[in-house]
Amino acid sequence: EDQVTQSPEALRLQEGESSSLNCSYTVSGLRGLFWYRQDPGKGPEFLFTLYSAGEEKEKERLKATLTKKESFLHITAPKPEDSATYLCAVAGNFNKFYFGSGTKLNVKP
Amino acid sequence: EPEVTQTPSHQVTQMGQEVILRCVPISNHLYFYWYRQILGQKVEFLVSFYNNEISEKSEIFDDQFSVERPDGSNFTLKIRSTKLEDSAMYFCASTPLTGGGEKLFFGSGTQLSVL
Repeated sequence: EDQVTQSPEALRLQEGESSSLNCSYTVSGLRGLFWYRQDPGKGPEFLFTLYSAGEEKEKERLKATLTKKESFLHITAPKPEDSATYLCAVAGNFNKFYFGSGTKLNVKP
Repeated sequence: EPEVTQTPSHQVTQMGQEVILRCVPISNHLYFYWYRQILGQKVEFLVSFYNNEISEKSEIFDDQFSVERPDGSNFTLKIRSTKLEDSAMYFCASTPLTGGGEKLFFGSGTQLSVL
């Protein structure tokens, strides 16, 4: 069964304190792994797509990496405005996305 | 940047009533989706739609649900007889290509409250 598991469920960081979020997945025929950011009451906002093991993508303080079983979202020197829920999703057939439960990140000034 | 637009942003209805949630996908996109998110839970797939027909649907998408693309721009989700457990945020999404592995562009959602 296709599955996506994210950890931790919640993460509290001090401003400037770097950390990583984990997304482990099992899917038959991975067509892509996606990271989204979701602010309260809003739709998921696209961050990255990763297609193959070893691939890395960066955007400002965020860096996403992919292995055959998991992906990491590294946050370097986070700021309070990085506080959000980060969602991982994998795409299977018909581009059907399987979402994880998300990691709720809170960055304190 | 083009956006997926959803209306209304909030919908309150009585149990047993019909609701229609509306979406305007990005204009050159070909695949359309509905997802829902119950408060505090995962974003869940409901249905995908391509070439004027359903491509795939989940177990959640039972006979109470239907989708339609009534014209060249709108994409709607109808719930015929709402239940309390239908209360959730409903997201419309679209993607331009059919090859799979393409990012989804999500709308801001419609918060449906069934009383």
